This record gives sequence, C-alpha cells and structure tokens, in this order.
Amino acid sequence: KQEVTQIPAALSVPEGENLVLNCSFTDSAIYNLQWFRQDPGKGLTSLLLIQSSQREQTSGRLNASLDKSSGRSTLYIAASQPGDSATYLCAVADSDYKLSFGAGTTVTVRA
Amino acid sequence: DGGITQSPKYLFRKEGQNVTLSCEQNLNHDAMYWYRQDPGQGLRLIYYSQIVNDFQKGDIAEGYSVSREKKESFPLTVTSAQKNPTAFYLCASSRGFGWNTEAFFGQGTRLTVV
Repeated sequence: KQEVTQIPAALSVPEGENLVLNCSFTDSAIYNLQWFRQDPGKGLTSLLLIQSSQREQTSGRLNASLDKSSGRSTLYIAASQPGDSATYLCAVADSDYKLSFGAGTTVTVRA
Repeated sequence: DGGITQSPKYLFRKEGQNVTLSCEQNLNHDAMYWYRQDPGQGLRLIYYSQIVNDFQKGDIAEGYSVSREKKESFPLTVTSAQKNPTAFYLCASSRGFGWNTEAFFGQGTRLTVV
C-alpha cells in the first residue's frame, strides 16, 4: 500500500524567503505526482503535475522536482508572499489513477 | 465556467439518518472520485468511477454508497452504517487515465453529525 509522507507538518517563514516542501512515497511505481494547494475550508487547487518520466515542472514562482527512484518530490516556492499561506498537499497516482495523499504541510508567510 | 460543483456546502445529519452529497461536473471527464478528509490526515478514497454505470470501492467504502447513472453526476450517500461520518468530503474528476491526467476538485461538503 502506498504511503505518502510530508515533512514538515507546518512551516512559518518571513515574507520573501524561499519555501521548500518535501514529499516522500514508498512505492516508486507511480504514474504521476501532483501538488495541490488548499485554503481553510476549501477544496484543492492543482498547482503542478509531474509525469513519472519527468524530473521537474515549473509554473511561475513554483518549481517541483521528482526523483522517482528514491521516492521523493520537492516543491520550491520562490520569494514567498503572505498570499502563499495555505496547506500544500502532494498526491501520487497509481496505474488506476487512484491518488494517495500526504497529510500536507501548512505554510504561514509572515508579513 | 467549467468545474465541479458540490452541494450543499454544509450538511447536518442526525443519528441513524442517511444523507446524500451531490457532485456535478461539466468538464466532460470520464472518471470521478469521492475522498474524505479528517483533520491532520491525508485525503482517503471512498469510491471512484471510471465510466458511467460502473464504480469501485476505495480504501474506506464501508458505510457509503454511490451511483453513476450520468457522466456528469456522482452522488455519495452516507448511510447510518457509517459510525463516524463527521468529516470534510471532496469530489474530484479527471479526464481519463494516463501519465498527464490531472485531477480537479470541488469545494467540498462539510458533514456534521448532530
């Protein structure tokens, strides 16, 4: 059974600092990995999707890397802003496209 | 606007009562999913459907039921057999299956037992 772990569970940084969020998974037989953002009481917003054959994806200030063999992904957010405060979730998809989620990292960016 | 609509946003259930959560999508996606989110835990899969009139149990299907009579709709019924139903329920859809298949989520329904 796929296990997904996100460390740290919470992170607080001053505005302008770069954010590094970690995700690890136990079974490397994945189809893809997605990073999501969740605001309190809201649904999930997709940020980035990395196919299993890719090493990284970039969108604006966001960059996500994937090392499938070691079961790790990292989400980098450059020059953090207070609006980046949210919970960030990673999820890996298996061959049936069932997603296994980590518990998330809650980020607070202090103005 | 294309997207996934969940209703209601808040739902209260009495002991022994069945309730149904609605999920509608206009993205023309084949696959739909129901997840449950509890504080401090990752999302857990309840049921998923790859095509109309077919659905599969996820990791925590006990006490829940679904139907998929239309491509656009995937309602979830929380039955009285679900002993701890208080949670945040999220519906998702995806175009199909493949390396670049992306999941999209609704805004969720918060269910509380009173």
